[in-house]
Amino acid sequence: NAGVTQTPKFQVLKTGQSMTLQCAQDMNHEYMSWYRQDPGMGLRLIHYSVGAGITDQGEVPNGYNVSRSTTEDFPLRLLSAAPSQTSVYFCASSYGGQLGEKLFFGSGTQLSVL
Amino acid sequence: DQQVKQNSPSLSVQEGRISILNCDYTNSMFDYFLWYKKYPAEGPTFLISISSIKDKNEDGRFTVFLNKSAKHLSLHIVPSQPGDSAVYFCAATSYDKVIFGPGTSLSVIP
Repeated sequence: NAGVTQTPKFQVLKTGQSMTLQCAQDMNHEYMSWYRQDPGMGLRLIHYSVGAGITDQGEVPNGYNVSRSTTEDFPLRLLSAAPSQTSVYFCASSYGGQLGEKLFFGSGTQLSVL
Repeated sequence: DQQVKQNSPSLSVQEGRISILNCDYTNSMFDYFLWYKKYPAEGPTFLISISSIKDKNEDGRFTVFLNKSAKHLSLHIVPSQPGDSAVYFCAATSYDKVIFGPGTSLSVIP
């Protein structure tokens, strides 16, 4: 039972570089979402998807792109990394209902932008 | 402006005693509330939830109370166990919005 799998676990980027954080789930969940966690703050929603082909912005979407071509995968793209994007990123999936409802999280990606 | 607040960054409790974690929210549009638990180097895991039409929900040792008029919820853990030591996040949701609190780090001392 893999659940939600995120790769990589750690990444260091230079300012201006681009990269993609991968997220895959094997629970056939309709909803998938990306969060970032910064010290002293709760998780903040970046982007979410309620099904393949459908994406929407969350609370802090600037600097990030997403797409959802399959039910299983929901990659997060950083187009031009900035030091303000240094954070821990979590991908999550759920059956549906309200955003944030009974989420299954991946183990996270720790990203540092120098 | 934090819409969901957890004013205690940390809490220490003796094993076997009750742990009470508090959470306050400001937006009356939130209608569903959840608690998540997080161990170091892991993703959060869902613990318990409550709808705004209820004022209490229990699941084993965990009980969540909701006071809508005060915009306040609390998580009670009885009895507390060392394995409960973790960071607890409350979350408030409406249909298209979810806001997490900053978390409370609970330490249960054997």
